[in-house]
Amino acid sequence: DTGVSQDPRHKITKRGQNVTFRCDPISEHNRLYWYRQTLGQGPEFLTYFQNEAQLEKSRLLSDRFSAERPKGSFSTLEIQRTEQGDSAMYLCASSFGTFRARHYEQYFGPGTRLTVT
Amino acid sequence: QKEVEQDPGPLSVPEGAIVSLNCTYSNSAFQYFMWYRQYSRKGPELLMYTYSSGNKEDGRFTAQVDKSSKYISLFIRDSQPSDSATYLCAMSEYGNTPLVFGKGTRLSVIA
Repeated sequence: DTGVSQDPRHKITKRGQNVTFRCDPISEHNRLYWYRQTLGQGPEFLTYFQNEAQLEKSRLLSDRFSAERPKGSFSTLEIQRTEQGDSAMYLCASSFGTFRARHYEQYFGPGTRLTVT
Repeated sequence: QKEVEQDPGPLSVPEGAIVSLNCTYSNSAFQYFMWYRQYSRKGPELLMYTYSSGNKEDGRFTAQVDKSSKYISLFIRDSQPSDSATYLCAMSEYGNTPLVFGKGTRLSVIA
């Protein structure tokens, strides 16, 4: 399977614990995005990378959230001191495009569903 | 007002019907428009991708963009029960940048 993969698929944690999610993008894709989706809402942007550089962080991304893409391949999203409001589906997407390219489709992974109790 | 507005439905149609799904947006800088299909508890699946105004057809699906009205549509012909899902519109200014999504419309196609 050459699509975007995410691990774990489900995570249940207690309030106050730290959690880390992993995303493996499509292998030739240079951009990687994290989104969060709550029930009945569309995905909301959190942060994105071009290769290993983090290009932008949403104001939704509090200080408790950190993301890395150390070698420009897989990425991790860590949430420290989880709160019940962090319960959501965390989605990763990847895309490939250069300045002259006209196709920038973003392909999503299956998501990691986080439940904070 | 949200940047992208989408009627959440639910929308229920009989099998074989033509389905029309719509989004409006406020940011005139948006140039790239996408439609995703999302089944329950799964990640969004890209259906259609359009740059700027115009129509694009792919099988039973047709996407339309009217930038002058800030309005995009997805038409599904000969709808099937397997089309039952949530349909999300998404858009961006520069293409290879973060997407802004609508809330999604829940569609049920009844056999």
